[in-house]
Parts: sequence; C-alpha cells; structure tokens
Amino acid sequence: DTGVSQDPRHKITKRGQNVTFRCDPISEHNRLYWYRQTLGQGPEFLTYFQNEAQLEKSRLLSDRFSAERPKGSFSTLEIQRTEQGDSAMYLCASSLGGAGGRTEAFFGQGTRLTVV
Amino acid sequence: KQEVTQIPAALSVPEGENLVLNCSFTDSAIYNLQWFRQDPGKGLTSLLLIQSSQREQTSGRLNASLDKSSGRSTLYIAASQPGDSATYLCAVPLGSSNTGKLIFGQGTTLQVKP
Repeated sequence: DTGVSQDPRHKITKRGQNVTFRCDPISEHNRLYWYRQTLGQGPEFLTYFQNEAQLEKSRLLSDRFSAERPKGSFSTLEIQRTEQGDSAMYLCASSLGGAGGRTEAFFGQGTRLTVV
Repeated sequence: KQEVTQIPAALSVPEGENLVLNCSFTDSAIYNLQWFRQDPGKGLTSLLLIQSSQREQTSGRLNASLDKSSGRSTLYIAASQPGDSATYLCAVPLGSSNTGKLIFGQGTTLQVKP
C-alpha cells in the first residue's frame, strides 16, 4: 500500500479557468475527506465521503466546487471559474470508518493551487 | 462549537532539548485526538492517535498525553534533532459522532537548531 496519493502536486491556473484534482485513498479505506489549507492555518474540512456517498459538505464549499467519488474508490474535486481566493493547498485524507472504528486519518501530499 | 488552540505558535530550541507542545480543545466529548507533522509545502504525516479512553501514546521519542476533562493534550519530544523541525498540528473529530472529520489547531512551528 502506497498511502494516499494526490495528483497533481502543483497547479497554476488563470482566474476563471476550471481545475480538477484527483485523490486515490488507501485501498481498504471507506472514508475519504477533502480539506483546504491556507498559509499559516490548519486544514479546514470541505467534504466527506463514505464509500461513494457524499455525506457532508462544509459551508466553505461554494457552488463552484464539486466533488465525486464514483464506485467508492478515487475521488475528484473540481473548482469551476477559479478565483484568486481559491489559492490554497487542497488535502485529501482517508480512514477506515465504522461504528466504534479506529478513525486514524492518513493524508496525501496535497495539491498546491495558485490562481493568477 | 469545537475550537482547537495550539500554543506556542512558534518555538525555537537548540538540538538535544526536550520540549512540550500544547493543544487545547473546548468540547471534551471527543472520540480521539491525533497529532500530525507537516513539512513545508507537504502533506500531513500522522504521528500519534490517542483514543478517548487512553491517557497517553508513545512512538519512539514522541509521547502524547490526553486529559479530556481539562480539554488538553501535550506532545512531548525527547532529545530534539534538527530533523524534527516542522509544523506540528493537533486535531480532534468534529462533533460527537464518529464521522472522522477533523478540526485542527493552527499548529506550532518548531525549529531545532544544530
């Protein structure tokens, strides 16, 4: 198992363009999370999947953001009509959930987005 | 509303010193608490997970303690090394349900000088 993998590692885009990020979780993990981190801050929760179901979305996730997890495996996070305020590190995490389960979260290396 | 605070925001120590990083949280109804390390421009590496029923966890030179009643956790690093320089983040699950979504402190940036 190679851990949580994110692609790309870095993305520079012009304002108004659409971008898509991919996350491959640890294979046996049924839970997948997206977080956003700006400089000097801790990560902030964006959205969460259990298997293929998106169970929760933060108010931080505007209607320009959409996330999917088809077939409960990899996930994509798309940002439409990017704005400079979207510049941040986007982190993906996965865990093995379940009632009373040990929910240690494992993170990927992140995708650094710069909107110019 | 759960809030997580880490003090100090930054810390600089000479190599070899033992040090303590602090994490406090406002809602004691947590399932667990997790400590992470983050190198500049990188993702998060899980260091230690303490379940709510545990008082402490150890991994090598790291020891994390948890006092739910007072809403505090500490991360103790023994015999610090320059390679320990990084930002250390603590996080607790948001809400009383075990969904696993985390709320983080702002981190303590540690510099260990040779």
